[in-house]
Amino acid sequence: AQSVTQPDIHITVSEGASLELRCNYSYGATPYLFWYVQSPGQGLQLLLKYFSGDTLVQGIKGFEAEFKRSQSSFNLRKPSVHWSDAAEYFCAVVPNSGGYQKVTFGIGTKLQVIP
Amino acid sequence: DVKVTQSSRYLVKRTGEKVFLECVQDMDHENMFWYRQDPGLGLRLIYFSYDVKMKEKGDIPEGYSVSREKKERFSLILESASTNQTSMYLCASSPLKTRREQYFGPGTRLTVT
Repeated sequence: AQSVTQPDIHITVSEGASLELRCNYSYGATPYLFWYVQSPGQGLQLLLKYFSGDTLVQGIKGFEAEFKRSQSSFNLRKPSVHWSDAAEYFCAVVPNSGGYQKVTFGIGTKLQVIP
Repeated sequence: DVKVTQSSRYLVKRTGEKVFLECVQDMDHENMFWYRQDPGLGLRLIYFSYDVKMKEKGDIPEGYSVSREKKERFSLILESASTNQTSMYLCASSPLKTRREQYFGPGTRLTVT
């Protein structure tokens, strides 16, 4: 069964600083990979996704993520964080095979942005 | 834009009550899901449905049931609410032929006292 690890439960960064949120997955083949963001009191919104091809993917709100097969990682990055980025971020994986496949979510990383 | 709505943002119920959580999506998606979200545990799948009147158990179905009588509506039912069902409940939907990205509703925060 696949699994997702987000090793950082809380991260605090200063506004304007760069950000990297880590995500590692365990799965026999390359799965589909996603990052979602959840603002306080809201549902999850898709930030970006990776299916195949270019390993650097761009998403909404200025985020990007890089897929590294050798490290089984899909880390999320942003060059300059804004106060509105304070939220919880979830990495998710889905097997790359036919039929319905269950999405496995990480436990989330809560981002705090300080002035 | 895909829109997934949930009937209540906040709900307070008493132990033993029957609770209905409603979810409606407006994009003709085949798949619908119910998750619960708890701090430190992430999202856990309760039930999902891939068609009208079809349902499949997720990871934590105990104490819950679901109903899908129409394609756009997926209901989660707590037959007899208990305090350990106090949680945030998230509904999601996705098209059948997709690479499995899901669209989420705003969530219902349920408190059982």
